[in-house]
Amino acid sequence: DGGITQSPKYLFRKEGQNVTLSCEQNLNHDAMYWYRQDPGQGLRLIYYSQIVNDFQKGDIAEGYSVSREKKESFPLTVTSAQKNPTAFYLCASRQAAYGYTFGSGTRLTVV
Amino acid sequence: GQQLNQSPQSMFIQEGEDVSMNCTSSSIFNTWLWYKQDPGEGPVLLIALYKAGELTSNGRLTAQFGITRKDSFLNISASIPSDVGIYFCAGRTGGGADGLTFGKGTHLIIQP
Repeated sequence: DGGITQSPKYLFRKEGQNVTLSCEQNLNHDAMYWYRQDPGQGLRLIYYSQIVNDFQKGDIAEGYSVSREKKESFPLTVTSAQKNPTAFYLCASRQAAYGYTFGSGTRLTVV
Repeated sequence: GQQLNQSPQSMFIQEGEDVSMNCTSSSIFNTWLWYKQDPGEGPVLLIALYKAGELTSNGRLTAQFGITRKDSFLNISASIPSDVGIYFCAGRTGGGADGLTFGKGTHLIIQP
């Protein structure tokens, strides 16, 4: 079945470290997105990519970086510059005007 | 940036009751989407609305795209225990893959 796979499900990071969250989709969707979710908040857009080798900053891009070397993959790196990285991270993809499909998320905790 | 005001923030209801929640915005959206999220999981799309005035049903769920394009509501009829979760509205302005703007969610709790 087609879908979006995020890994790992849980991730722990020490302060000052960079970590990379994986997002892979086999839906053949062109656009991919990363969202951050904090308790009691809606999802906020970090980065998005419409095509391979191109990506744009969302509303809260500071402290994050992405790459889009393949259509299927859109990894997110949480850098040490992100001051409050503990959150639930969601990856999504979209084709044309249809609804967005989300992965099951990665919960990142700074220890 | 754009903001969506979703209400109520939480609802405590009895099983079998009907549920209504809504989203409003000061901005115009071309698409309204309603999602349900279970704890520790990603949101799952319930209903997508693409035209002002559109009324769409999906089983016990009904959603409408407001005429002004600045609001939308979601109704759930005859609630059951598996309806528990957080419901999000999301709007998209279109004209490029610029992502969705999300409301803060309505937490639905059903008392048996």
